[in-house]
Amino acid sequence: DIQMTQSPSSLSASVGDRVTIICRASQSIGDYLNWYQQKPGEAPKLLIFGASNLQSGVPPRFSGSGSGTDFTLTISSLQPEDFATYCCQQTYSTPLTFGGGTKVEMK
Amino acid sequence: QVQLQESGPGLVKPSETLSLTCSVSGGSISGHYWSWIRQPPGKGLDWIGYIFHSGSTNYNPSLKSRVTISVDTSKNQLSLKLSSVTAADSAVYFCARGGFSALDYWGQGTLVTVSS
Repeated sequence: DIQMTQSPSSLSASVGDRVTIICRASQSIGDYLNWYQQKPGEAPKLLIFGASNLQSGVPPRFSGSGSGTDFTLTISSLQPEDFATYCCQQTYSTPLTFGGGTKVEMK
Repeated sequence: QVQLQESGPGLVKPSETLSLTCSVSGGSISGHYWSWIRQPPGKGLDWIGYIFHSGSTNYNPSLKSRVTISVDTSKNQLSLKLSSVTAADSAVYFCARGGFSALDYWGQGTLVTVSS
């Protein structure tokens, strides 16, 4: 199974901050990497697919980059509605696996 | 706008079979892959498996012996059955559109607790 490791597991930030979340795969997955945002009591929401493609309707302050084993989700200017948990998912091979999540909290 | 809605018992006894249905509205189930994912309380997401509208499936090997995913195109629904459940199967269960691609539409999830 491909293990997905996210760092940090949590971070504190303020509105307007630039936030970067890292996701590392235990083996190369090309660009088969998706990012989701999840708020408490809600379903995950797709933000980025194929490592760097912005899902329709997602604000452009979200961006993704990387390929192979190392990936990054960046929020260029954190907004109040962005406080949530973010997780990555690989779809390179089954079983499909998710990262453990990064909780973005208000400083 | 595609909408998904999970339904089924919120409480299942140990050793019994968990059965959930996902109703899809606002779009056809045909032509797409559909997945089940679960999230134990306070933990991360676990992929259970996916199905194509034709019925071909792919399951997580860790659950393969206990899981069945099926689709009913006439009702625009997909179903999940997980047999011989234990407390470790207690989780919020989500259905979502997508399989080996990104999951772009999700249901709101349904909490299933395994307890006697």
